[in-house]
Amino acid sequence: SQQGEEDPQALSIQEGENATMNCSYKTSINNLQWYRQNSGRGLVHLILIRSNEREKHSGRLRVTLDTSKKSSSLLITASRAADTASYFCATALDSNYQLIWGAGTKLIIKP
Amino acid sequence: GAVVSQHPSWVICKSGTSVKIECRSLDFQATTMFWYRQFPKQSLMLMATSNEGSKATYEQGVEKDKFLINHASLTLSTLTVTSAHPEDSSFYICSAGDRGLAWGNEQFFGPGTRLTVL
Repeated sequence: SQQGEEDPQALSIQEGENATMNCSYKTSINNLQWYRQNSGRGLVHLILIRSNEREKHSGRLRVTLDTSKKSSSLLITASRAADTASYFCATALDSNYQLIWGAGTKLIIKP
Repeated sequence: GAVVSQHPSWVICKSGTSVKIECRSLDFQATTMFWYRQFPKQSLMLMATSNEGSKATYEQGVEKDKFLINHASLTLSTLTVTSAHPEDSSFYICSAGDRGLAWGNEQFFGPGTRLTVL
């Protein structure tokens, strides 16, 4: 089952602009993870943020987590054409490995 | 490090045949492996969780006799789609994790296998 809902479902922006994607979930979590998937390919882990963390950075990526609102956002700054992909959030409910996936946001970066 | 491979990357088969998909962790011991199914333009759907040396745990609605999972070693899990039909056509993705590592809940994903049943 999916507990994550992501918005927008699709986002198209110009290269160089910032892209923001949001993820909401329903239950308490241990951590939340963001993944990228290029069309027809496997998933690439981007960043993991634990329930006691509020913000994390990795290169051009910035992830925030608001456990009171049960939501997270992924910001990609200075977008590039190569960032075109689908982005998924996934929540881990406890210390086991099982992830519950959001529906994903399809990001298109126009050159 | 933390590379997971899948084989084959794509397969086309006739209806009624069985197809085996392999998932290997190349540089770490995968105590837990997950099998997902993904339909076009949709999110991942967890099919089953397998721990090395024990029976897989299937998600509700997934037929265990249809999708046979074997996790016989710490580096290999296989998914066999038995008597495949066109509705089984999908993108199958495996992921692996190692409880002994400090990666916490991070899963490492294989590149996926695209199955087309004619």
